[in-house]
Parts: sequence; C-alpha cells; structure tokens
Amino acid sequence: DTEVTQTPKHLVMGMTNKKSLKCEQHMGHRAMYWYKQKAKKPPELMFVYSYEKLSINESVPSRFSPECPNSSLLNLHLHALQPEDSALYLCASSQDAGLARPFFGPGTRLTVL
Amino acid sequence: AQSVTQLGSHVSVSEGALVLLRCNYSSSVPPYLFWYVQYPNQGLQLLLKYTSAATLVKGINGFEAEFKKSETSFHLTKPSAHMSDAAEYFCAVNLLYRDDKIIFGKGTRLHILP
Repeated sequence: DTEVTQTPKHLVMGMTNKKSLKCEQHMGHRAMYWYKQKAKKPPELMFVYSYEKLSINESVPSRFSPECPNSSLLNLHLHALQPEDSALYLCASSQDAGLARPFFGPGTRLTVL
Repeated sequence: AQSVTQLGSHVSVSEGALVLLRCNYSSSVPPYLFWYVQYPNQGLQLLLKYTSAATLVKGINGFEAEFKKSETSFHLTKPSAHMSDAAEYFCAVNLLYRDDKIIFGKGTRLHILP
C-alpha cells in the first residue's frame, strides 16, 4: 500500500459546525503533514507530526485542531470556521520529517458557508 | 524570505515541443529539491527529487531536472510535450538546516497547444 487516503473528498459546513478531516497511510511513515491550498496558490504548511508528536505549528488559528491518534492516522478537527477557510486541505506523509519524499493524498475540498 | 522561485506563472508550449519550467532556490546549503505536478481538482504527485546524489535527476512521465549549484537552479525539462502534461507544476525545497519543512514555489501552469 503506497498511498495516502483522505476522507471526505468534499465537505460543506456552516460556521457553527464541528467537523473532522481524516488522513490515513499504511507505509510505516513516521511524519505526517497538513497543508492548506487556496485556489491558484501553492500549498501552505499548517502542521507537522513527527513520531506522533506535533513538531511544527505554523501559527495556525485554534479553530483548526490537529490530532495524531497513532502512526497511521492524522485528523484535523474543525470548529467555528470562517468562509475564508474554504480551500483544499492536503495530507502528506514521509518516512521521516523532510528527509524522504512526501507522499500527498488527494485532498479534501472544504467549503465553509 | 522566499526559498524557491518559479519564473513564469504560465508557460505555453506546442505539443511535441520542449518543455522548460524554471526554478531557482535560495540557500547557502544545498537543499533537497522536488518537482510536483497537480492536475485539476487533484492532489500533488511527485515527479522527481534531488537529494545530493546525481545532479541530473530523471523522473516519471519523461521529465528530468538538473541541479546546478553555480546557478542555484533546478529547472524541469521534457523533450517532447504531450497534451496530458497540461497541469500546475510546483518546485519545492526542504531546508534541512532550518527545520523539516517543505516549502513550495508559487507554481507554473503549463499549457499545451495543439
């Protein structure tokens, strides 16, 4: 299994909703990432987990809350989002943070109404 | 400070012509460098990477890139463009001396003309 899966593919939520994005990999990778990509822009790093511990938080607002329950799973909990948070959220994993090629998932297209 | 610069937000080439997408990095220490491709409404797919081994790197789909330290460049080339190459291409850098981040350039949209 050499892929990163993300669910759901699409998500529409209101500003008062609570939702979660899920990411899973079974490649034995010990680093996992969340990126945010706005339309016609490059991906921007949000969080890095290394060996299930949060190692990088790029000053992301607290309405985004990451969680790494085990080495294969990465969640992004969403609460009280704003319309400007609408974007493609990409999950990635690599063997070790930054050292090997990161594999990217297909992304979750999030729309906040 | 921007760590990787892609010249040209849009590049158009004719089918069968040479593809050249430019990327320059700014780093005092040779970094790891990557090229990714993104098709519409999809995630990122790695085309190739440079990690201080051979300076000419061959990737998937006929693409290759050459690391030139003297020019701080890592340009992406393909001898003959195909219609299916139309996509967004991102150059990315991993600055190992700072922390374990992968930073993306602004991207270049490649258009293939029939």
